[in-house]
Amino acid sequence: AQKITQTQPGMFVQEKEAVTLDCTYDTSDPSYGLFWYKQPSSGEMIFLIYQGSYDQQNATEGRYSLNFQKARKSANLVISASQLGDSAMYFCAMRPPGTGNQFYFGTGTSLTVIP
Amino acid sequence: AAGVIQSPRHLIKEKRETATLKCYPIPRHDTVYWYQQGPGQDPQFLISFYEKMQSDKGSIPDRFSAQQFSDYHSELNMSSLELGDSALYFCASRVLQGVSEKLFFGSGTQLSVL
Repeated sequence: AQKITQTQPGMFVQEKEAVTLDCTYDTSDPSYGLFWYKQPSSGEMIFLIYQGSYDQQNATEGRYSLNFQKARKSANLVISASQLGDSAMYFCAMRPPGTGNQFYFGTGTSLTVIP
Repeated sequence: AAGVIQSPRHLIKEKRETATLKCYPIPRHDTVYWYQQGPGQDPQFLISFYEKMQSDKGSIPDRFSAQQFSDYHSELNMSSLELGDSALYFCASRVLQGVSEKLFFGSGTQLSVL
């Protein structure tokens, strides 16, 4: 069975500081994709970053980077230079291989950026 | 660029009624997913379609059905609604970009069952 674990239900960070949101996963498949999504209070799900299990380098997208440690099965999201607009729920998700396979989501981390 | 479009944005129904949620994926995206997110919960996978064929099924009740049409839009049909069906329903579409892939979500349909 696939499983995503986010152990931080809530996090606080000072504006302009960096913050790391933890995510660990459990899968026996060698090939999978990892994602991070942001869900602001308005409810929409916003794609942030993707990491493939065979990617040699950690993914980066602007202020977002993914600290991928395959042996430890962790895929932590690092947000640099936090902004007030970063306050939201953040979900880690994993997709096993194969077209159409469902995405498994973690329970999310609520991030609050303090001015 | 066009995003995933869902309609309606909000829907209020009574118990035992039916509801139809619509999703228009981003053009040329190959897979459509439906997710249900209860209050304070993470999204739960319901069903997916790859090139208009059902490709995977999650925790979708028998009272729900879905399909993807020739124009690639998808509909989630919900019958005999229950109070517990009140949730945010997301549609998402997927695109492959080389060895990478991206999943884009619509803004969701907030269903309230009274």
